[in-house]
Amino acid sequence: GQSLEQPSEVTAVEGAIVQINCTYQTSGFYGLSWYQQHDGGAPTFLSYNALDGLEETGRFSSFLSRSDSYGYLLLQELQMKDSASYFCAVMGSSASKIIFGSGTRLSIRP
Amino acid sequence: DGGITQSPKYLFRKEGQNVTLSCEQNLNHDAMYWYRQDPGQGLRLIYYSQIVNDFQKGDIAEGYSVSREKKESFPLTVTSAQKNPTAFYLCASTGTTALGYTFGSGTRLTVV
Repeated sequence: GQSLEQPSEVTAVEGAIVQINCTYQTSGFYGLSWYQQHDGGAPTFLSYNALDGLEETGRFSSFLSRSDSYGYLLLQELQMKDSASYFCAVMGSSASKIIFGSGTRLSIRP
Repeated sequence: DGGITQSPKYLFRKEGQNVTLSCEQNLNHDAMYWYRQDPGQGLRLIYYSQIVNDFQKGDIAEGYSVSREKKESFPLTVTSAQKNPTAFYLCASTGTTALGYTFGSGTRLTVV
């Protein structure tokens, strides 16, 4: 089967940098993506990595190491509005669907 | 503006009833998906469809049914066979970037 692991909670200070890790186990691999979800809202797509390396989109960056089955989401210059749950998701054995991790709840304090 | 519309936003179901959740998209996306989310949990795949008149079971399809008669529409029926249907249901679609889903705003279903 497929499985993903990410920390359940992370706390950080406004203006700081935080990294959310994700490890995965799949029988195949097409890519790793990240989503943000605010309480009561729908997930929104942040980024994806199909190849090894770092992808940067503004304050957010995502990294992938396929050999380590590992990725992370890096959030810089944290703002209070970044308080949300962050999900990693993998397209593994099938190219037609993605499987989500259980999410990391990011809390930011002033 | 293009997007996905889910309705209703809140739905209450009596025990033993079937209910249907609506999902409509105007993004011209081929693939559509239904996920279930329980409090504090991730998203679990119920059903998905890559083309009209075709759909596949996800990881938790028991007690649910779907249809895909039109490209724009992918309704989900929660049947009485689903023993614990109270959850947040999310519909999504994707086009060429298969890893980048667009989600609807969700339907919160409660059994009363």
